[in-house]
Amino acid sequence: SYVLTQPPSVSVAPGKTARITCGGNNIETQSVHWYQQKPGQAPVLVIYYDSDRPSGIPERFSGSNSGNTATLTISRVEAGDEADYYCQVWDSDSDHPGEVFGGGTKLTVL
Amino acid sequence: QVQLVQSGAEVKKPGASVKVSCKASGYTFTTHAIHWVRQAPGQRLELMGWINAGTGKTKYLENFQGRVTITRDTAASTVYMDLSSLRSEDTAVYYCARPVVVARDAFDIWGQGTLVTVSS
Repeated sequence: SYVLTQPPSVSVAPGKTARITCGGNNIETQSVHWYQQKPGQAPVLVIYYDSDRPSGIPERFSGSNSGNTATLTISRVEAGDEADYYCQVWDSDSDHPGEVFGGGTKLTVL
Repeated sequence: QVQLVQSGAEVKKPGASVKVSCKASGYTFTTHAIHWVRQAPGQRLELMGWINAGTGKTKYLENFQGRVTITRDTAASTVYMDLSSLRSEDTAVYYCARPVVVARDAFDIWGQGTLVTVSS
């Protein structure tokens, strides 16, 4: 099954740029989706199809996908961005999808 | 607005079963699949399976084959997730989620989550 690898944690100062990576074999051939999850809350979709933003998500959130790494970029980080972030892909070649979500990255705003 | 509303928290003993409901509103129920995703304390999101709300066809991930059953009631716009032979490792928050378009898609709408606690 397809394996997604995220760093456990990323720290960034307010106003700076945070980059959260999601590694997978030839991930550029997959559509990558990103979720933000704050404590005690359901996940919220922040980026889908690699780089599209749902309505209501600030332009500070952007995504890219190349080679073996997809990246969620948060510009001008705010305290309210502190959360866990998960990437998601569908292993389209398999009729029995395995791991669909990455392990998650905790973003800490210093 | 489009929303998914789940049933309340449950406490179950090991070996028992639990049934969690997910009521959809704000869109045509039969046009989207509904997925179930769980999250054990401090752990990652874990997909369990999904149902095509129009056809009733289901897909379960291997980790849950034989223990999970997902059904739907189109008249009530509600999907149910039944998990049997519960063990302590099943203690988790269970979410239903709706994909953007096709079943294997991003999830743009989530339920509020249902905490299931398995304890003797």
